[in-house]
Amino acid sequence: ENVLTQSPGTLSLSPGERATLFCRASQSVRNSYLAWYQQKPGQAPRLLIYGASSRATGIPDRFSGSGSGTDFTLTISRLEPEDFAVYSCHQYDTKHTFGQGTRLEIK
Amino acid sequence: EVQLLESGGGLVQPGESLRLSCEASGFTFSNHAMSWVRQAPGKGLEWVSAITGSGGNTYYTESVRGRFTISRDNSENILYLQMNSLTDDDTAVYFCAREASHPYLDYWGQGSLVTVSS
Repeated sequence: ENVLTQSPGTLSLSPGERATLFCRASQSVRNSYLAWYQQKPGQAPRLLIYGASSRATGIPDRFSGSGSGTDFTLTISRLEPEDFAVYSCHQYDTKHTFGQGTRLEIK
Repeated sequence: EVQLLESGGGLVQPGESLRLSCEASGFTFSNHAMSWVRQAPGKGLEWVSAITGSGGNTYYTESVRGRFTISRDNSENILYLQMNSLTDDDTAVYFCAREASHPYLDYWGQGSLVTVSS
């Protein structure tokens, strides 16, 4: 199983700041088959990024993804109030596994 | 507009069974593989099972293999998850999700809560 480890567990920032979230895989993720989701309390996950760096339909360009192999990054360039949520990475190269999530909270 | 609506969750005792349904609309259902993903209280997401668009191939995470069965009715646009021999560890919100051509999960339902408790 390809285990995904996200860091940090919690990130405390203020609106307008830049957020950088990390996802490390225990095995290489081929074809950059790595996605990122945003989830707010009581809601379903929302696809943000697929293929490591492609934004999903309707996702603002302040969200960007990068990385390959075993190390991936989600960057939110300027935090808006609605961006405070939990973010999870997902590899879909070998079956499906998810990271444990990073909680982005208001400082 | 793509919509996925789960139903069938509830409170059951250990060892009992439950069947979840997911009604799909807004897209050609048979063209897409579908997955079930669960989230235990306060925990991360866990993929449970997937089925190809035709229903001919199914896949399971090891912890549910032999207890859960995924199926679909492409004439009615409904995805199912039959869950047998439920244990406390199966307590979670269960989401159905549509797989895109490369199988990231592009649309999700709102989830159905399954609670296993005596």
